[in-house]
Amino acid sequence: SQQGEEDPQALSIQEGENATMNCSYKTSINNLQWYRQNSGRGLVHLILIRSNEREKHSGRLRVTLDTSKKSSSLLITASRAADTASYFCAFPSGTYKYIFGTGTRLKVLA
Amino acid sequence: GAGVSQSPSNKVTEKGKDVELRCDPISGHTALYWYRQSLGQGLEFLIYFQGNSAPDKSGLPSDRFSAERTGGSVSTLTIQRTQQEDSAVYLCASSLDTWIDGYTFGSGTRLTVV
Repeated sequence: SQQGEEDPQALSIQEGENATMNCSYKTSINNLQWYRQNSGRGLVHLILIRSNEREKHSGRLRVTLDTSKKSSSLLITASRAADTASYFCAFPSGTYKYIFGTGTRLKVLA
Repeated sequence: GAGVSQSPSNKVTEKGKDVELRCDPISGHTALYWYRQSLGQGLEFLIYFQGNSAPDKSGLPSDRFSAERTGGSVSTLTIQRTQQEDSAVYLCASSLDTWIDGYTFGSGTRLTVV
């Protein structure tokens, strides 16, 4: 399958803790994106990391990319109940479309 | 518009009926995508439109599925003779560039075939 694999499939943590989720893919890519999905509806773009970047930050989000291992990770620090959602990685297939990973369901307990 | 608009937000249809799902992308976005998400699953690519170029239909699961984009703006996804396995959330996304800015997704249409 071309889909990325995300790990873990589900994660439950306490508010204030950090959440880490991982994405692996199979092809060579020039960028990778992370999205968040609330309540099984529309996805929201969180961050894009290019293949020449190893790490990128946005607020409480930290994304890493290891092209040699074909993997990326998303770290959410100091999690909040509002971070409860599904998180997907997406990577390009060809020149114009993205393949989405299987997603990690994050639950942050207050 | 300010965002990607999809209608209807929910659709229940009887098996065998045809349905039309609509997507109104962000004004000026030349790229438009349809994805399908079955319950608890990831997103499955269906079709891609870019400007006036021929669409990439490689993800359409069968010939019962078709899509068009009129005037480079609004798109309609049509499913003929719906089957229960067509039940899913159908998501539309648009973008300015093919990848630099990421996609902006609509809220989706939840299709239930009974």
